[in-house]
Amino acid sequence: AQRVTQPEKLLSVFKGAPVELKCNYSYSGSPELFWYVQYSRQRLQLLLRHISRESIKGFTADLNKGETSFHLKKPFAQEEDSAMYYCALSSLGGNKLVFGAGTILRVKS
Amino acid sequence: NAGVTQTPKFQVLKTGQSMTLQCAQDMNHEYMSWYRQDPGMGLRLIHYSVGAGITDQGEVPNGYNVSRSTTEDFPLRLLSAAPSQTSVYFCASSPGQGGEQYFGPGTRLTVT
Repeated sequence: AQRVTQPEKLLSVFKGAPVELKCNYSYSGSPELFWYVQYSRQRLQLLLRHISRESIKGFTADLNKGETSFHLKKPFAQEEDSAMYYCALSSLGGNKLVFGAGTILRVKS
Repeated sequence: NAGVTQTPKFQVLKTGQSMTLQCAQDMNHEYMSWYRQDPGMGLRLIHYSVGAGITDQGEVPNGYNVSRSTTEDFPLRLLSAAPSQTSVYFCASSPGQGGEQYFGPGTRLTVT
């Protein structure tokens, strides 16, 4: 069965500190992994996907198949990064997303 | 483009009532989905559609019906509302398999 686990409900860091939002997944095939973000009063939107290997807003995420992880990282947190972050999984070629429970990131000044 | 639109934004129902949540997109996307968002559970897929006339069940389909008569519209029907259906409902669309999903603003539903 497909499953996404985000162990932290809330992550609170100071501005300028490094950030790592954890995501582990369970899937027998070759999954496609995503990070979606929901800022206050805005729609849920795609932040990045592992296939593109991009850095968006300073965030990166590397798929580690051995550890079945897709952690989201940023070296220096900004206050505008405060939001709800969801890790999601989809089977390759599919369009159904399985979401984790989400992690609230709070960046304090 | 308006993107993905949802109506209403808020709704309160009594147990047993029925209603339809509307979703429309103007991006000519083939794929459309409905999710519900509950605290501590993330988003869970209710129903999805890969094109007009084609729908399928997601993870939590019970108590909900969908239809897809046009590419643009994908309404979600609650047949007999229950308090367990109190949630925030999101509609999403995508241009193709595995593609980025574009979400609507959500509908906050309370069933008393």
